[in-house]
Amino acid sequence: EIVMTQSPATLSVSPGERATLSCRASQSVSSNLAWYQQKPGQAPRVLIYDAFTRATGIPARFSGSGSGTEFTLTISSLQSEDFAVYYCQQYNNWPLTFGGGTKVGIK
Amino acid sequence: EVQLLESGGGLVQPGGSLRLSCAASGFTFNTFAMSWVRQAPGKGPEWVSTISASGGSTFYADSLKGRFTISRDNSKSTLYLQMNSLRAEDTAIYYCAQVTSPNWFDSWGQGTLVTVSS
Repeated sequence: EIVMTQSPATLSVSPGERATLSCRASQSVSSNLAWYQQKPGQAPRVLIYDAFTRATGIPARFSGSGSGTEFTLTISSLQSEDFAVYYCQQYNNWPLTFGGGTKVGIK
Repeated sequence: EVQLLESGGGLVQPGGSLRLSCAASGFTFNTFAMSWVRQAPGKGPEWVSTISASGGSTFYADSLKGRFTISRDNSKSTLYLQMNSLRAEDTAIYYCAQVTSPNWFDSWGQGTLVTVSS
């Protein structure tokens, strides 16, 4: 099983600042990685797939990068609606696995 | 607009069974693989199972094999999850999700809560 490790677990950011979230895979997942955003009481929502492709309707301030075992989600200028928990998920191998999440909170 | 509506959750005793359903609309159901993903309280999502568009192929998390069975009825645009021998650690919100190839989750339902407790 591929283990996905996200860091940091918690990130405190001021509105308008940049946030950088990391996701590391225990073995290569090529570019088969997605990022999701989850707000309290809601289902996750896909932001990025194939490591860097924004899903439909996702603002350009969200960007993904990386391949192999190291990935980054960058939010260029945090808006109030971006404070949430973010998860990465690999789909290169079965079983599909998620990271433990990064909670982005208001500083 | 894609809509996924789960039902069938509830309180069940350890060792019991439940059948979850997910009614899909807004897309051509029989052309998409579908999955179940669960999320225990305060935890991250955990993939449970995936079924191909035709229903001919199924995949399960190793920890669940033999207890859970995924199926679909394309004539009814409905996805199912039969859960047997339920344990306390199966307590979670269960989401159905539309799978976009290769295997990321494009749309999610609102979830149905399963609580396993005596």
